[in-house]
Amino acid sequence: DAGVTQSPTHLIKTRGQQVTLRCSPKSGHDTVSWYQQALGQGPQFIFQYYEEEERQRGNFPDRFSGHQFPNYSSELNVNALLLGDSALYLCASSLGIQPQHFGDGTRLSIL
Amino acid sequence: GDSVTQMEGPVTLSEEAFLTINCTYTATGYPSLFWYVQYPGEGLQLLLKATKADDKGSNKGFEATYRKETTSFHLEKGSVQVSDSAVYFCALKVDYKLSFGAGTTVTVRA
Repeated sequence: DAGVTQSPTHLIKTRGQQVTLRCSPKSGHDTVSWYQQALGQGPQFIFQYYEEEERQRGNFPDRFSGHQFPNYSSELNVNALLLGDSALYLCASSLGIQPQHFGDGTRLSIL
Repeated sequence: GDSVTQMEGPVTLSEEAFLTINCTYTATGYPSLFWYVQYPGEGLQLLLKATKADDKGSNKGFEATYRKETTSFHLEKGSVQVSDSAVYFCALKVDYKLSFGAGTTVTVRA
């Protein structure tokens, strides 16, 4: 039974570019959440998707957007990349009130 | 807003020592509380949880008790192993959102 899978593992971009990160939830899960983890810090909540809609959003600018597909997989899009967007991006999936399960993340580096 | 404060690290211990990581929280509602662990190069793994006051979560020898009166959820293990070396995160959940502490790096020496 596959857990949460994220792609790519690593990504290098330059300032001003845009990026798309992908997440496949754990089998049986229908909810996907995205987090940003800067080096040496705890993860910060970006947003959560359920039934293909954004259900809750953290304190992130509109440059961060997402999508959930009918098969529950999800994408995180970041436009106009800044140096400060360099971080580990974590996807977590869940079902109902059960705890969230995390993927291994995508390491995004901005040059 | 909702927030978590946990003991700053790093913490270095010898094998078989006792481990405590302090965690306190501020929440507007009635949060569920969690401890997650992160090994190098990996995502977060759920270690234990508690959903209401006085609940005790336990897993792999780790324990934490939800103390509403002191708004705390301290993590303890009686005898650590080298394999327990990792970063530990305390977190709370209100509605759909998880809020994490900054993490505590624990290194266990043989």
